[in-house]
Amino acid sequence: DAGVTQSPTHLIKTRGQQVTLRCSPKSGHDTVSWYQQALGQGPQFIFQYYEEEERQRGNFPDRFSGHQFPNYSSELNVNALLLGDSALYLCASSPDRGPAGNTIYFGEGSWLTVV
Amino acid sequence: KNEVEQSPQNLTAQEGEFITINCSYSVGISALHWLQQHPGGGIVSLFMLSSGKKKHGRLIATINIQEKHSSLHITASHPRDSAVYICAALLHNTDKLIFGTGTRLQVFP
Repeated sequence: DAGVTQSPTHLIKTRGQQVTLRCSPKSGHDTVSWYQQALGQGPQFIFQYYEEEERQRGNFPDRFSGHQFPNYSSELNVNALLLGDSALYLCASSPDRGPAGNTIYFGEGSWLTVV
Repeated sequence: KNEVEQSPQNLTAQEGEFITINCSYSVGISALHWLQQHPGGGIVSLFMLSSGKKKHGRLIATINIQEKHSSLHITASHPRDSAVYICAALLHNTDKLIFGTGTRLQVFP
């Protein structure tokens, strides 16, 4: 049983470009959360998707958007990239609507470098 | 001031030593997660606590809801325990996790 898988693992983009990151949750999980982790920092919550809708959102600008598909996989889109968007982007999945009372499973992350 | 604070930020130990990592939070929570992150990024969930104490192998996690404090203990530490340990608080009535900045642990043989 595959855990949470993310793609791509590493990518380099130029300022102003757009990027799409992908996440497949662990089998049986219906809730996907996205986090941004800058170097040397703890992860910051971006948003959470459940039943194809954004259910919770952290303090990130509208340049950060997402989507969840009927098979529960998810995408994170970032428009008009800034140098400060360079970070590790982590996807986490959990069953039954979220991490309350549940173990959360993280993917290996996507390393984004903006130059 | 961060809503979730961890101490120490960095910790070195000799193999076999008893390790304690502390986490304090200032918000109302419904649960607290302890996570382990290895170089390269992968994060593994160690514990999810809402009260009391949990033990898994050489790892023990405790939480005191009244004092808004949690600890992660590692008994008989081993070099393979070297990693960053992160506590994450689940905000009450939400699914939003607030993370500490992590404790970098290095265990030397």
